[in-house]
Amino acid sequence: DAGVIQSPRHEVTEMGQEVTLRCKPISGHDYLFWYRQTMMRGLELLIYFNNNVPIDDSGMPEDRFSAKMPNASFSTLKIQPSEPRDSAVYFCASRLDRTQYFGPGTRLTVL
Amino acid sequence: GDSVTQMEGPVTLSEEAFLTINCTYTATGYPSLFWYVQYPGEGLQLLLKATKADDKGSNKGFEATYRKETTSFHLEKGSVQVSDSAVYFCALTSGGYNKLIFGAGTRLAVHP
Repeated sequence: DAGVIQSPRHEVTEMGQEVTLRCKPISGHDYLFWYRQTMMRGLELLIYFNNNVPIDDSGMPEDRFSAKMPNASFSTLKIQPSEPRDSAVYFCASRLDRTQYFGPGTRLTVL
Repeated sequence: GDSVTQMEGPVTLSEEAFLTINCTYTATGYPSLFWYVQYPGEGLQLLLKATKADDKGSNKGFEATYRKETTSFHLEKGSVQVSDSAVYFCALTSGGYNKLIFGAGTRLAVHP
């Protein structure tokens, strides 16, 4: 199994630009999670989906952030417009039973 | 609410030393408990887990026992290697297993 796949691995953009992060969960997993990791705040849960339906988006910091899961094998996290304080590592994870499996992350730098 | 408390790092050890990283938790119900490891520049990897009281999770020489009476899940390894240098996160399931609550992480540095 290839594990959770995220792209791109690194993204550098300028303030005000739109950023789209992508995730392919492990096949057969019914939950998908988006996290953000920073030195200051550690790991934060942004949003999670069950069977492609958003269940809890209370961790999404602002309306600039949005996430979709159009099918069981693909999800996106979009930031529009991006700001320097959005710089972080963004992780996607998928879950089967009680265990979450993380992707390698996307390191986002907003200049 | 549910929470996880880990010992602060960094923990610095010599190769072949014994490792303990303390983790205690506060939770309602019967959470599952996890240790994840994050190597530099990588994502979190599941190291081990335990789903009920007195269960022992083990993997790659690491062990942790789910102690409900002390609400703890301490990570141990008998002989660490330089390659074990990483950040270790203790976590529990919350909200009907839908969410993971993470500790702040403990950085381990092992020197030859």
